[in-house]
Amino acid sequence: DIVMTQSPLSLPVTPGEPASISCRSSQSLLHSTGYNFVDWYLQKPGQPPQLLIYLGSNRASGVPDRFSGSGSGTDFTLKISRVEAEDVGVYYCMQSLQSPRTFGQGTKAEIK
Amino acid sequence: EVQLVESGGGLVKPGGSLRLSCAASGFTFSSHNINWVRQVPGKGLEWVSSISDSGRYKWYADSVKGRFTISRDNAESSLHLQMNSLTADDTAVYFCARETFYDFWTGDYRNYYYYMDVWGKGTAVTVSS
Repeated sequence: DIVMTQSPLSLPVTPGEPASISCRSSQSLLHSTGYNFVDWYLQKPGQPPQLLIYLGSNRASGVPDRFSGSGSGTDFTLKISRVEAEDVGVYYCMQSLQSPRTFGQGTKAEIK
Repeated sequence: EVQLVESGGGLVKPGGSLRLSCAASGFTFSSHNINWVRQVPGKGLEWVSSISDSGRYKWYADSVKGRFTISRDNAESSLHLQMNSLTADDTAVYFCARETFYDFWTGDYRNYYYYMDVWGKGTAVTVSS
């Protein structure tokens, strides 16, 4: 199985400031199509995960443009350009290149 | 409103069985693959099983293969997960999640990328004596 490793696991954030989360995969997630098969989710307290980014860099419907995904191969980054209070929760990366789909351990973002 | 609502969770003894359900509304259920994903309380996410839109194709995580069976009833817009031979390791919140595809062209080829875009709130399963 492909192992997804996130860092940091705990992320103190300040409203108005940028923040970023790293995700590294044990195998390249670059598909022959040239796209990276990685998604990002945010799980707010007491809620199910919600999709933020799919196919490496495509924002899901309704997701604010302060969220962006980048990276290729085995190294990926989720960036928040200006953190808002509602962005707290646990962020997960997930790969869809190979079955089974596997998730990172999660990065907990909390207001500093 | 697009919605998935899970039910059927509860307390069951080791070795017992449970059947989870997921009721869909607000979209054409028969056009989407559906997944089960579980989460041990306070821990991360684990994909469990998927079923194709027609129900013809099914996939399972190794950890549940041979014990869990996924099925769907498109006429009723419902998804099910029959869980047998349960162990303490199966204790988790179980989410159903809809798949949607994004299509894109590379040269003359049309490609499809499937991602989980709508999730239910989950149903809790506790396996304990």
